[in-house]
Parts: sequence; structure tokens; C-alpha cells
Amino acid sequence: GAVVSQHPSWVICKSGTSVKIECRSLDFQATTMFWYRQFPKQSLMLMATSNEGSKATYEQGVEKDKFLINHASLTLSTLTVTSAHPEDSSFYICSAPRQYGYTFGSGTRLTVV
Amino acid sequence: QQQVKQSPQSLIVQKGGISIINCAYENTAFDYFPWYQQFPGKGPALLIAIRPDVSEKKEGRFTISFNKSAKQFSLHIMDSQPGDSATYFCAASKGGDMRFGAGTRLTVKP
Repeated sequence: GAVVSQHPSWVICKSGTSVKIECRSLDFQATTMFWYRQFPKQSLMLMATSNEGSKATYEQGVEKDKFLINHASLTLSTLTVTSAHPEDSSFYICSAPRQYGYTFGSGTRLTVV
Repeated sequence: QQQVKQSPQSLIVQKGGISIINCAYENTAFDYFPWYQQFPGKGPALLIAIRPDVSEKKEGRFTISFNKSAKQFSLHIMDSQPGDSATYFCAASKGGDMRFGAGTRLTVKP
């Protein structure tokens, strides 16, 4: 149980375009979803926290206009990378808190060319 | 800011040996300390976790040792296997705020 389904698993896009990443909680309701970014051989860095029905909270240094987060329902949170640039290429991972720990999505490898 | 410091950055262990990864935290408000295992191209998966009211937790070959006064905790992998080769992250959290260590790339040689 407690599965978070993340799609797509990988995406290649052209510089200047936007990419949407979805995370769905399959068998539970996720009122909160955390979004992380992970560069190669580095740790997970928290980007933002989305809460169902309210505005997301962004970590210092993360551009809220570039990384749009929507948490419109209790089972779906989305991250849209707008006007993507090569430096946005990274591994993006979502995570939902549970009673005993956190459940992570499988991650999305974004490559901007 | 690095609220959780993890070492070593990389570790090579022979099959059957013991792998030890250490973490130290700063915020005494943290009340949940998980370890995650991550394979390339995959999201982290919870391995084992501990709360500060116990000093040790063992699940199979994996053991967490926790020292509250020193604000340190460690992961021990007994009888390490090549399939354990992965990156391991410690983390510390309070409520919904989870902070990760920098990660340790473990290689278990056959």
C-alpha cells in the first residue's frame, strides 16, 4: 500500500518549453506533497511543499513562477517547469508523508536540450 | 543549508563485510530518522527508521544506532551483499519538514 505514482519517468524537451510532472497517490489521500530536485550524485533538495486546496510553499531560492505547483485534489499534485532551460535538467521526485514515514514517487528524469 | 551531515561520501566493502554509514544532525526538534536506499534512476525507498526514544533498531541485516546526546545516528549493514550496492541517504524530520544527508554511495564487491 501507500503508493505514489509519478509520471513521466523521463522526458526530453526543448529549451523554452514547459513540462508537467504528475504525482498521484493511488491508495491514500495526500493532503501534502513534497517536491524534491536531485542533481547527479547529489542529495535530494526540497523545492516546495504543496497542500491540497492552498498555495504551495517554496524553499528559499526556488522560483515560484518557474516551478508551478498545483495540488487540486487529494490524490494529485503536479509540478510544471515553465520555460525550461538546460540548467533545469535534473531528477525530480515527489513524496507524500504517511503515518509512518514518507512514500516517494519513482522520479522524473528531465533533460532540457 | 545542510542540517544533516552524512559520511562517508563513498564506501567500498567486500561481500560479507559490515557497511557503516554515519549521520549527525543539528536540530534537536527532529523526531524521526529514516534511512533511504536509492538505485540509479529510481526514487528513494525507505529502508529502516528510528525515533529518538530508542537507541537501536534492527530489521534483518540492517541496524540503526541512535545517540541522542551526541545527535548522531548510524546505519549498519551486516553481511553486505553486491545487491546492497546503492546510494544511501539518512534523513531527519519534524512534522512535514524532512532534511536529507548528502548520501553515501556504497559498493559491495563480490
